[in-house]
Amino acid sequence: GENVEQHPSTLSVQEGDSAVIKCTYSDSASNYFPWYKQELGKRPQLIIDIRSNVGEKKDQRIAVTLNKTAKHFSLHITETQPEDSAVYFCAVSSSDYKLSFGAGTTVTVRA
Amino acid sequence: NAGVTQTPKFRILKIGQSMTLQCTQDMNHNYMYWYRQDPGMGLKLIYYSVGAGITDKGEVPNGYNVSRSTTEDFPLRLELAAPSQTSVYFCASERQTNTGELFFGEGSRLTVL
Repeated sequence: GENVEQHPSTLSVQEGDSAVIKCTYSDSASNYFPWYKQELGKRPQLIIDIRSNVGEKKDQRIAVTLNKTAKHFSLHITETQPEDSAVYFCAVSSSDYKLSFGAGTTVTVRA
Repeated sequence: NAGVTQTPKFRILKIGQSMTLQCTQDMNHNYMYWYRQDPGMGLKLIYYSVGAGITDKGEVPNGYNVSRSTTEDFPLRLELAAPSQTSVYFCASERQTNTGELFFGEGSRLTVL
């Protein structure tokens, strides 16, 4: 599978602040970049995704940006709330159409 | 729709035992996947299937086998369980590849002692 690096591995933010998670990938042919959220003891669920023909996508308090030249994409969460506490995984769909996942970022929102 | 259903949720195995993790989906999805999740390692693809009768290896297939006799079912077989197979296993399905959302099951936590 493709090499996907995700940083940071843990992130603690004050409620109301923003959180940013970054992922880098290696295959320049990659064209689909989803983000999954996994709450403690639950299954991963898709929260937002972006395709290679778009530079940014927003959905309420979350947004994803893509820099194809630099081969990295980021998840931005604004006005964080306690329910945003979870593990977030980035993923990349490469030329073989299978998803490769990052190692995950544990986000803790402090009240 | 029940979505993706996995059983069992928890299982403890002794070294050398065998077992099958069951996965079924009722969304008529062609693509199905098995992942394992280890702490700090993300999700690693074990096997996948693009339709009934077709299966292929993912990143970490050693020690596992799968079959896909129907569109709905995609069981994962562990032969001769080893401690390295202690993990949380997720089954997932997708209508067709690269379209968007993977629908995950609730996961199966397996411990090999």
